[in-house]
Amino acid sequence: DAKTTQPPSMDCAEGRAANLPCNHSTISGNEYVYWYRQIHSQGPQYIIHGLKNNETNEMASLIITEDRKSSTLILPHATLRDTAVYYCILGYPTGNQFYFGTGTSLTVIP
Amino acid sequence: EPEVTQTPSHQVTQMGQEVILRCVPISNHLYFYWYRQILGQKVEFLVSFYNNEISEKSEIFDDQFSVERPDGSNFTLKIRSTKLEDSAMYFCASSGGGTGTKEEKLFFGSGTQLSVL
Repeated sequence: DAKTTQPPSMDCAEGRAANLPCNHSTISGNEYVYWYRQIHSQGPQYIIHGLKNNETNEMASLIITEDRKSSTLILPHATLRDTAVYYCILGYPTGNQFYFGTGTSLTVIP
Repeated sequence: EPEVTQTPSHQVTQMGQEVILRCVPISNHLYFYWYRQILGQKVEFLVSFYNNEISEKSEIFDDQFSVERPDGSNFTLKIRSTKLEDSAMYFCASSGGGTGTKEEKLFFGSGTQLSVL
């Protein structure tokens, strides 16, 4: 079962940064934090993942607290196409099935 | 970018009929998964498959369900006798070469919408 807690919904103004929080206080030492998103009923789309260091790619940045009990996904300049449900998931990088929670429904407002 | 392909995109069947949902995972991947999502609900894990056998399955994956990798490229989910409550979007996923590297992640297909009438 999902071991993360996320707010059910958030709004963000177009062009502004969207900061999506996730609590994972029971994370174990080798578990990674993964972020996926789902637009309408499409297949979940990978965004980013990390172990303990902050990570950045072309889509987003991931900030993980030093104690690893929480993290924040940052979409630096949100667009309308970023409106989706965002899932924070704990997992291992090898052959590990992911358990999805209910995620955060992000609405980007024009 | 490589992608997971699922066919058909929509499947309509009568209650009690057998259905097979098909997936072509990314070619060098070793781990395969099926998930489902009932309308308005969360994405639920069904089963994982590695080295030609089931590695883990959820409570949802009962005797009515089976998976197979028949020819080294396809990965199928069979539902023997469909029920109304099997109506859902079914997602196939695959992940990498088992190297345990930081780069491994699940890639999902676009799903098959199954409607049981």
